[in-house]
Amino acid sequence: GENVEQHPSTLSVQEGDSAVIKCTYSDSASNYFPWYKQELGKRPQLIIDIRSNVGEKKDQRIAVTLNKTAKHFSLHITETQPEDSAVYFCAASAFNQGGKLIFGQGTELSVKP
Amino acid sequence: GAVVSQHPSRVICKSGTSVKIECRSLDFQATTMFWYRQFPKKSLMLMATSNEGSKATYEQGVEKDKFLINHASLTLSTLTVTSAHPEDSSFYICSASSGTIPYEQYFGPGTRLTVT
Repeated sequence: GENVEQHPSTLSVQEGDSAVIKCTYSDSASNYFPWYKQELGKRPQLIIDIRSNVGEKKDQRIAVTLNKTAKHFSLHITETQPEDSAVYFCAASAFNQGGKLIFGQGTELSVKP
Repeated sequence: GAVVSQHPSRVICKSGTSVKIECRSLDFQATTMFWYRQFPKKSLMLMATSNEGSKATYEQGVEKDKFLINHASLTLSTLTVTSAHPEDSSFYICSASSGTIPYEQYFGPGTRLTVT
């Protein structure tokens, strides 16, 4: 089955700097890659996603890149703000497997003012 | 946007008792619902996938007799933790998909289960 590896597990940046989180996946059938932000005790919130027919997607300060050949995808947050502090999860899904999401281990991002 | 609720938000039960957690899609029909558990400072682990009207598909290592999942209607799925033990204490989160837009899942707010 699918296995998703996420790095780093913790990331501390200064406000205004960029943050990059990387994930790799194992199943070449995976074709949907969402990123979630989760605050303590809350539900995961979808912040951006990318499908396998696209190499890059951007939404304001957030961007995701996908390299299908290497089976890795990354989240880029620019001009970080303290409110970006949270745990971020990547996930992978294959439509032909019922759409179930397999999550990475998570990255705890801390943005210092 | 699509709304998914869970009830209860928190529950404390004694060891050996059973607990039922409800997951409801409030403004759409959920053909598929997913159940996850999350330990503190850990990732979401998929437990099972349930499709309305059929038996749930459990992930490897998840005891189907301990975690009973029912998806009897297009708006409700339930997870029953039977004969709960302290090691079952966790954050349980459901998500729901209408199936009309591939991949889109909407998460519930989660249920914090503590078994004493």
